[in-house]
Amino acid sequence: AQSVTQPDIHITVSEGASLELRCNYSYGATPYLFWYVQSPGQGLQLLLKYFSGDTLVQGIKGFEAEFKRSQSSFNLRKPSVHWSDAAEYFCAVGAQNTGKLIFGQGTTLQVKP
Amino acid sequence: GAVVSQHPSRVICKSGTSVKIECRSLDFQATTMFWYRQFPKQSLMLMATSNEGSKATYEQGVEKDKFLINHASLTLSTLTVTSAHPEDSSFYICSARDPGGDEKLFFGSGTQLSVL
Repeated sequence: AQSVTQPDIHITVSEGASLELRCNYSYGATPYLFWYVQSPGQGLQLLLKYFSGDTLVQGIKGFEAEFKRSQSSFNLRKPSVHWSDAAEYFCAVGAQNTGKLIFGQGTTLQVKP
Repeated sequence: GAVVSQHPSRVICKSGTSVKIECRSLDFQATTMFWYRQFPKQSLMLMATSNEGSKATYEQGVEKDKFLINHASLTLSTLTVTSAHPEDSSFYICSARDPGGDEKLFFGSGTQLSVL
C-alpha cells in the first residue's frame, strides 16, 4: 500500500534550536518526495522536493531534507528555527508526471521564545 | 507571487444549497488540476483529478454527484458542492500541475466551507 507516515504529530522547539521532522513512505514506484508548509487557514507552500540526484536537497527558508532510500525516509531539517517557522508541515509522495500526491498526517511545529 | 488562485477563501452557506469553488492557474495552462479536502487537524485527501475537456476522475469513496467538477478551460477548474450539508464543511484546496515539466505543482490558498 502507498502511504506516508509522519510519526510526530506535534513538536515544540525553542527558537534558535535545530529541528528535524520525520517522514517515512511506502511507495511501489520511484518516489517523488515533497515537503510543504501550511499556515493556519492557508494553502500549501512548497519547501523542497526530491526527484533524483543528490540525496540532500536544499529548500526555501533554510530548510533541507535528506532522502534515504534504504530507510524509506525523507526527513526535513533546519539548523536554527525561527518563530515564524511555527506552522503545519506535510510530507508527500507522488509518481512522476501524475501530480497526484499522497500526504502524511502532518506535523504541527510550535516554536517557544 | 501566487500562480494558482482559489476563490472564495471562505464561504458560509445554508444546508441544502450549492456552493461553487473556483481554481485558476494564472501563469500557465493547466490541463490537470486536483481537488483535495482537509478536515481540521488532518491531512489532505485527494478527492478528484480534474482533466481539461473531459470528465473528472474521482477517488474511491468520493460522491460524483455531490462534488461536481468542471474543467472547461485550460486555466479554470470548478468544484461545486451540491445540496451541501454540515458534514461537507471542510477546507478544500486545489492544485494545478504545470505541464512545463519538473513536476511543478502549485496549490491554491484554499476555501473554508461552513454549512449551517
